[in-house]
Amino acid sequence: GDSVTQMEGPVTLSEEAFLTINCTYTATGYPSLFWYVQYPGEGLQLLLKATKADDKGSNKGFEATYRKETTSFHLEKGSVQVSDSAVYFCALSDRRKGGSEKLVFGKGMKLTVNP
Amino acid sequence: DAGVIQSPRHEVTEMGQEVTLRCKPISGHDYLFWYRQTMMRGLELLIYFNNNVPIDDSGMPEDRFSAKMPNASFSTLKIQPSEPRDSAVYFCASSPNPAVDTEAFFGQGTRLTVV
Repeated sequence: GDSVTQMEGPVTLSEEAFLTINCTYTATGYPSLFWYVQYPGEGLQLLLKATKADDKGSNKGFEATYRKETTSFHLEKGSVQVSDSAVYFCALSDRRKGGSEKLVFGKGMKLTVNP
Repeated sequence: DAGVIQSPRHEVTEMGQEVTLRCKPISGHDYLFWYRQTMMRGLELLIYFNNNVPIDDSGMPEDRFSAKMPNASFSTLKIQPSEPRDSAVYFCASSPNPAVDTEAFFGQGTRLTVV
C-alpha cells in the first residue's frame, strides 16, 4: 500500500540555520503530496502541497518540490526562526480513480529552533 | 467558519469506563476522519466517513472502539471499556471532495488519559 518515510528527529537548530527534512514515498498511483505542521498543543495545519510532478509548493519561507523520479518531497527553509519549532509531517493522498481518499502520514519530525 | 471543533479538549477517565469523543466538521465538507496520535506509533487513521457513511474502518484497533456520524455536522468516537493503552491524542479532521482538493483540516484534538 501507499506509504511515507521521513526523517524522524528530533532535530535542534540555531536560529537562521538551514533546514532540510527528507521525505520519500511509495504509491501505486499519482499522489498529491503535502507537508503539515503541528505547533505545540495544536492540531495539524497544512503548510504546503504539490499535486503533480515538478510542482513546487511554498509557504512561510518553506519549499518542497515534487520529484517523481526520486519519489521524494523534501522540505527546505533557508533560515529558520524560533517560531518554526514544531512537528512536521509529510503526507500523501492518492486521487486516482478508485483510490483511497485518505491521507497517509509519515511519523513526523520534531524541530526545535534555539535563539 | 470556526474550523473543526472537538470536545472535550482533555479527558481523564478510569480504566473500564466508557469514553465518548465528539467532533463537528467544517460545514460543507463531505469527508470526516478520526486519527490517533501516540509517541510510539505516530499518527494513525482509525476510520473515515464520506457523506456520513463509514468507508474504511480498518484502522480501528478492536471492538472496543466504535464511531458514528448520525448527520453531516456531528461525529462521535466511543471507547468502551477504556484501557490505559488507549491514552493518546485523538484528532478529527474534515475535507472537501477529494476529487477537487484533498487538504484535510484538523481539530485541536482531545487528549485522553486512561488511568
